Order: sequence, then C-alpha cells, then structure tokens
Amino acid sequence: DAGITQSPRHKVTETGTPVTLRCHQTENHRYMYWYRQDPGHGLRLIHYSYGVKDTDKGEVSDGYSVSRSKTEDFLLTLESATSSQTSVYFCAISDGGINYGYTFGSGTRLTVV
Amino acid sequence: QKEVEQNSGPLSVPEGAIASLNCTYSDRGSQSFFWYRQYSGKSPELIMSIYSNGDKEDGRFTAQLNKASQYVSLLIRDSQPSDSATYLCATEGGGSYIPTFGRGTSLIVHP
Repeated sequence: DAGITQSPRHKVTETGTPVTLRCHQTENHRYMYWYRQDPGHGLRLIHYSYGVKDTDKGEVSDGYSVSRSKTEDFLLTLESATSSQTSVYFCAISDGGINYGYTFGSGTRLTVV
Repeated sequence: QKEVEQNSGPLSVPEGAIASLNCTYSDRGSQSFFWYRQYSGKSPELIMSIYSNGDKEDGRFTAQLNKASQYVSLLIRDSQPSDSATYLCATEGGGSYIPTFGRGTSLIVHP
C-alpha cells in the first residue's frame, strides 16, 4: 500500500530460528501496529508503538518482541519461531488525526516448518 | 475484555440489492468506528469511518451508528460482484488509538 511497505512478503523458516519482519512507512505517522491474522481469529494485536522507542504489548505478544528506533521503521522479531506462529502478519499505521483510520501494509505470509 | 461481534456469514445477496452488515461492540467507551473491506489474500482497506450517532453516506456505502444500542452497521446499495469480500468492523475508544477488530462478515454478491 502507498506509504507503508512490509518485508519480506513471504518467508519460510524452521522451528527455533529467530525471524525479523520489517514495516517501513513514509507517512511520518506516530502510531504503528503489528497484527497477525488467522482463520477463525480475525486480526489480533501483537505489539504497537506510539512513538520512537515507545512500544507496548497487545493481546498476543508472547514470543514476539518489537523495536522502533526511527519513526519510519517498526520491526517485529519472533525470538524462536514455532509452528503456532505460522500466520499472515500485517503492519498498520495511524496518525491519530481528525479523520484518522488505520492503513495496512500488504502483509507478510510466514510459514514455520 | 473489549469485544466486537460480527456474523461470520457468508451473506449472499443478488447483484443490485442492498447488503446490510452489522456489528455490535461491548465497550461503551468506544468513540470511533470503522469499516474495512478485505479481499481474499489482500490487506484490509478502510472504506468508512463514523464517530457520531446517525448515518454517514459515501457513494454506495452508508454507515449507521447507534451508541445507545452499541451497534454499527454498513449498508451497500446497488451491490456489485466486486463488493464480494470480507468486511471488518473496528472500534476504538477514548483516544487510545488501539482498535479492536471483529472477525469479519463474508459478503458474496452473485450476478
């Protein structure tokens, strides 16, 4: 999507390996989010950030960590990937303005084997 | 725990009909409401936002909000096959900027 990119788009990794997903925005938005989407569960918030070095946990944060050292980048790390972390991961951004909403990246499809 | 409930569907409507999608939410502090469309294999796309009780129209889409009854709905007039997608409802309260999403309703518009 315009202004927000996720990388990689697809990844296959082995159980027990660390994995880092990247979200990059060019909109200078303050808020950034990581979601996972699984059939039957919808979108679930993993972590979010409300500014550089300001992050907090979402509802499914176990096994994940994040970092935001620059406004434009929000990294999600799976410390030791498990098969239960096979999912589609979406990054989203928001500026919290009057007509705000949440803009999503194209997603990363992660498979842990 | 904040919850947003949607009927998973599928909701099947003929082309040209009105599709009505509904959503209820548990958090009375919710102040912002959003409808997203998600095509299969794609990311969610914002189509409507509403903040005040009543109706908000944008082209063929109308969002309706009733805070007293804690529901929000989306009407799609003159439904087209290209409207076939999953529609996600989301709420957010009190300037937290942390949305809660429903699981979505699958809409099928058949010719």
